[in-house]
Amino acid sequence: GQQLNQSPQSMFIQEGEDVSMNCTSSSIFNTWLWYKQDPGEGPVLLIALYKAGELTSNGRLTAQFGITRKDSFLNISASIPSDVGIYFCADSISGSARQLTFGSGTQLTVLP
Amino acid sequence: DSGVTQTPKHLITATGQRVTLRCSPRSGDLSVYWYQQSLDQGLQFLIQYYNGEERAKGNILERFSAQQFPDLHSELNLSSLELGDSALYFCASSVADEGEQFFGPGTRLTVL
Repeated sequence: GQQLNQSPQSMFIQEGEDVSMNCTSSSIFNTWLWYKQDPGEGPVLLIALYKAGELTSNGRLTAQFGITRKDSFLNISASIPSDVGIYFCADSISGSARQLTFGSGTQLTVLP
Repeated sequence: DSGVTQTPKHLITATGQRVTLRCSPRSGDLSVYWYQQSLDQGLQFLIQYYNGEERAKGNILERFSAQQFPDLHSELNLSSLELGDSALYFCASSVADEGEQFFGPGTRLTVL
């Protein structure tokens, strides 16, 4: 089956710094999704990407769908304490959102 | 608050027992998805129902079963529980057969 490799596994950054994390796949994707999970909560969709090369922003978050369709990155600018959480990339099989496959997650800690 | 509700929030039981987790989707959503989140396996898709019918199946054990009722709520039944079944179980819902999935807060199952 397809695998998502997400890196880094964890990050410790100072408040105000920019952050970048990425995902790579062994298969070509039709969709890249980025989720955030706060402690004790379910994942929340941050950004959805549907086309190779697509660059999408959501406030301080920016994500891109790689040209090869096998990778994606998520950038967070000017980090704040509430950015703390686990960030997951995810994809859906065959362009359908029925069955999401998640990466292993990046645990982000923002230090004051 | 995603609008998806899950009960109970926590469940502690013993090996060999059977439990039922309940999920109510967002108002108007016809699809319900179940995911398992464990430390070693990460977030994994289990099963999807759409308007009462099973639509997609993932890595769901034979000891696990689910159903979606006419009022669209769903139940995940876990039987012959093992220590390794301890995990967070999330329900998600979407409007249609595919599309953005909204996650509930999860049920934390502990098997002793």
